Amino acid sequence: GAVVSQHPSWVICKSGTSVKIECRSLDFQATTMFWYRQFPKQSLMLMATSNEGSKATYEQGVEKDKFLINHASLTLSTLTVTSAHPEDSSFYICSARARGAISYEQYFGPGTRLTVT
Amino acid sequence: DQQVKQNSPSLSVQEGRISILNCDYTNSMFDYFLWYKKYPAEGPTFLISISSIKDKNEDGRFTVFLNKSAKHLSLHIVPSQPGDSAVYFCAASAQGGSEKLVFGKGTKLTVNP
Repeated sequence: GAVVSQHPSWVICKSGTSVKIECRSLDFQATTMFWYRQFPKQSLMLMATSNEGSKATYEQGVEKDKFLINHASLTLSTLTVTSAHPEDSSFYICSARARGAISYEQYFGPGTRLTVT
Repeated sequence: DQQVKQNSPSLSVQEGRISILNCDYTNSMFDYFLWYKKYPAEGPTFLISISSIKDKNEDGRFTVFLNKSAKHLSLHIVPSQPGDSAVYFCAASAQGGSEKLVFGKGTKLTVNP
């Protein structure tokens, strides 16, 4: 159990376009989803926390207008990278937490590799 | 500022021997620590955790040791198996694990047959 999927697994887009990444909890209801970014040889950095039905909470230094997060249902959260630039190229990973679980009880998706040309 | 540090980017161990992965942290507010294992093209999976009220937690072949005074923890894998080859991330959280997870950069473990 506790499977989280991400789609797409990789995407290449042109500079200036927008890209949407989906994160789904397949067998549980995720009241909270987290979005992380990982640059090569770096740690996973939390970008934002989203709770179903409310606005996401962004970490310091993360532009909320650039990284749009929507958590419209208990099984789906989306991250849209707007007006993407080459420096946005990274590995984006989501994780999901079930209702009542503690913060560290997160289940991670396989990640999405974004390359902006 | 890297609050969780894994200073060894890679570690190579012979099958059957002990693997020791190290992690240091700087934030004294951290009181819950976790280890995740990550295979290529997959998300990290939870391995083992420890609360700051303990100094050791064991689960099968995996043991995590915590030295609060040194702000250091380590993951021991005994005996190491080729299937253990993966990237291991150390993560820390405050408020008993209710705060966000802060990750280290990871250590790539290779267990040679």
